[in-house]
Amino acid sequence: NAGVTQTPKFRVLKTGQSMTLLCAQDMNHEYMYWYRQDPGMGLRLIHYSVGEGTTAKGEVPDGYNVSRLKKQNFLLGLESAAPSQTSVYFCASSYGDHYEQYFGPGTRLTVT
Amino acid sequence: QQPVQSPQAVILREGEDAVINCSSSKALYSVHWYRQKHGEAPVFLMILLKGGEQKGHDKISASFNEKKQQSSLYLTASQLSYSGTYFCGTSDGSSNTGKLIFGQGTTLQVKP
Repeated sequence: NAGVTQTPKFRVLKTGQSMTLLCAQDMNHEYMYWYRQDPGMGLRLIHYSVGEGTTAKGEVPDGYNVSRLKKQNFLLGLESAAPSQTSVYFCASSYGDHYEQYFGPGTRLTVT
Repeated sequence: QQPVQSPQAVILREGEDAVINCSSSKALYSVHWYRQKHGEAPVFLMILLKGGEQKGHDKISASFNEKKQQSSLYLTASQLSYSGTYFCGTSDGSSNTGKLIFGQGTTLQVKP
């Protein structure tokens, strides 16, 4: 039982490049989330999903897209990376509303 | 709408007690508490729900004052392992999506 996994762990991009972050969970959770964490800002929700085939915008969705084609996977895409997207990205999943969220180990992204 | 945590940072000696507060300007249905060690993912501590239900850690206690829209996390007889950054995440219960808005975090350092 791996819990929540994220790939890659680290990535360096140049401005304008694109990439996809993969989140996978093996707990059969319906809800999945993508957060970014910047110093002094806490965790900010980018996009979330309440089930396979559904996605919705969070607090800071601009510049990101997501897809949830399979229940266990939640992908976060950056179409044209900007230095402002330099951050640590965490994926999380939960069983449902008002249940604990389980976080993945994070991806450290640097955009130069 | 981000909840406000206080204090921002606290330094303790082993065995001392600490209280971390989380205040919201909105009515709350639930408050979640997480701890994050440096370079790691946030880890769930507990959930407090409107009406008094609590789920979580058996060695950490917390309170939730619905009228004041505040929650407090009580760390008693602190241990070195309690060091880290504590985040509260709040939900108003209106969306049935599990979405949380996180505070900016409180850094706790426990010294021998």
